[in-house]
Amino acid sequence: GAGVSQSPSNKVTEKGKDVELRCDPISGHTALYWYRQSLGQGLEFLIYFQGNSAPDKSGLPSDRFSAERTGGSVSTLTIQRTQQEDSAVYLCASSLVGSDGYTFGSGTRLTVV
Amino acid sequence: GENVGLHLPTLSVQEGDNSIINCAYSNSASDYFIWYKQESGKGPQFIIDIRSNMDKRQGQRVTVLLNKTVKHLSLQIAATQPGDSAVYFCAEKQAGNAGNMLTFGGGTRLMVKP
Repeated sequence: GAGVSQSPSNKVTEKGKDVELRCDPISGHTALYWYRQSLGQGLEFLIYFQGNSAPDKSGLPSDRFSAERTGGSVSTLTIQRTQQEDSAVYLCASSLVGSDGYTFGSGTRLTVV
Repeated sequence: GENVGLHLPTLSVQEGDNSIINCAYSNSASDYFIWYKQESGKGPQFIIDIRSNMDKRQGQRVTVLLNKTVKHLSLQIAATQPGDSAVYFCAEKQAGNAGNMLTFGGGTRLMVKP
């Protein structure tokens, strides 16, 4: 596609439920990143995928968070047993290895009630 | 480096004035720097970048200055307009980084008063 696509754009869920957030990177981009942005704050790194290498999961805040990337393209971020503190905008970005900078999607705004 | 958990500093300027947004980076091995603009409800968008072999780069109404001695980066916006109101993030990439990992600063909110 022309850009990084994220879905849904908004998600409201009840505390304790599981959610899945989807990211479609730019076609051909081998690197994919997930960030979290709480209201009025900066970007918190979550996880990084590069080609077929093992992902860098060093930013995941707890074992309730996981992500996978199928076929080197689409990625899904899963949050199990959601808590109110998980409420944030989840941003996905992709890039070409060897290129500079990322292209971000518009994010998924998650609200846990 | 990352400033997770800090509330964003805010810069308020009058329309038509020049704006200067500052960023201190942490890694002297970083060789590439980017400024991103994030408007409300959108993802960050690339504005301008600079490599460490330069100390100044100009775009349309924007200029990035790099001072490697004190590890300081700034973004200057000329004749600031209401459409410039957004959160601005600096990002750095370390030389020899096996991946493309960027480290983001905490961000600055720019508010333009009409």
